[in-house]
Amino acid sequence: DQQVKQNSPSLSVQEGRISILNCDYTNSMFDYFLWYKKYPAEGPTFLISISSIKDKNEDGRFTVFLNKSAKHLSLHIVPSQPGDSAVYFCAAQDRGSTLGRLYFGRGTQLTVWP
Amino acid sequence: KAGVTQTPRYLIKTRGQQVTLSCSPISGHRSVSWYQQTPGQGLQFLFEYFSETQRNKGNFPGRFSGRQFSNSRSEMNVSTLELGDSALYLCASSLERAGEQYFGPGTRLTVT
Repeated sequence: DQQVKQNSPSLSVQEGRISILNCDYTNSMFDYFLWYKKYPAEGPTFLISISSIKDKNEDGRFTVFLNKSAKHLSLHIVPSQPGDSAVYFCAAQDRGSTLGRLYFGRGTQLTVWP
Repeated sequence: KAGVTQTPRYLIKTRGQQVTLSCSPISGHRSVSWYQQTPGQGLQFLFEYFSETQRNKGNFPGRFSGRQFSNSRSEMNVSTLELGDSALYLCASSLERAGEQYFGPGTRLTVT
């Protein structure tokens, strides 16, 4: 049972524009959320995280928004750059009972074209 | 600070054999988690070790096992390999059990 879902397998955006990647979750016990970027033949790279007590966290070009009532989070990348082209994974953690375990979505392939 | 390292990076094994993969976490990190990535299933949690004890286990058969040493380095073992075990095996470390996990480059295992 997929508890973290990324319903868009791919997204194509022009350089300089905003990229918005979406993620939904079903487990209301999740209280920490993370985004990772992955290039082929490499491990995922941590990008940004957000605790459930916040609704927004920003780090440079990356902003994550959390809507707990809708069980939805999104990653905004502004402005998008060709080097951002990669697979983006959303992950969630229940810090109460399953510490050390991340639940991942299936990923969204982002392509940023010039 | 050096990142998470995994050895070997690539491995080819035959059905029925066993394999051991190694992971060295970031210095000072005490928690090590293992994940399997396949095209069909995505990133699946295998297990997590903290203070040399397995704290959490995913839904994998008993052929998959692991351990953690006193220096936080970890190994995972897969016995009686099956074709379906072909995957990218990723190790991640974190300072404590909660929070961000930092991944190594992975070990690509091919079972023939």
